[in-house]
Amino acid sequence: EADIYQTPRYLVIGTGKKITLECSQTMGHDKMYWYQQDPGMELHLIHYSYGVNSTEKGDLSSESTVSRIRTEHFPLTLESARPSHTSQYLCASSEYRVGGRSPLHFGNGTRLTVT
Amino acid sequence: AQSVTQPDIHITVSEGASLELRCNYSYGATPYLFWYVQSPGQGLQLLLKYFSGDTLVQGIKGFEAEFKRSQSSFNLRKPSVHWSDAAEYFCAVGANYGQNFVFGPGTRLSVLP
Repeated sequence: EADIYQTPRYLVIGTGKKITLECSQTMGHDKMYWYQQDPGMELHLIHYSYGVNSTEKGDLSSESTVSRIRTEHFPLTLESARPSHTSQYLCASSEYRVGGRSPLHFGNGTRLTVT
Repeated sequence: AQSVTQPDIHITVSEGASLELRCNYSYGATPYLFWYVQSPGQGLQLLLKYFSGDTLVQGIKGFEAEFKRSQSSFNLRKPSVHWSDAAEYFCAVGANYGQNFVFGPGTRLSVLP
């Protein structure tokens, strides 16, 4: 069962549009993440957050931005979508424990297509 | 720096056959290791995890994995594969304080009827 929710599941949008991908979790996790994944490919971390008002860029450079105003909510925004943004975007969360023991919990993803 | 390799990009097995997916890691301290499965169009689901203690860990869906420190490996096994096991499998190393997970590139499993 999903305790982390992503909407929309699928989105087809034209070039130049502004979009926001929503991610919410009900587990009270402090740490949240956004990964980008092309079909059949590995995951690339694009943003993460340690908690409210904390946002960090990940390993893969991205033109998207994120915000963390509430613990449970971590939306990702693209100001001007381009075809190169076509991908699957996965949101995840974890407890914030010393030593990396806390596993990631993933949402079902948003598959974005920019035409 | 941490790294994870999964030497097999794609594996095909027959239904009912045994399975072993390989994972090797590079990490300076005691690793926290995870296996995730991803069905097409879905997010990742945790199969099992290793923190310490018994080096053979049991997970969901009949999977198990064995941690071998001497070989820096954490291979995933299942004695009898079902058609529903066809998916992408990711090995990951858990991060220390302030760092992030490192995922392997994934192994795609196909199951023949």
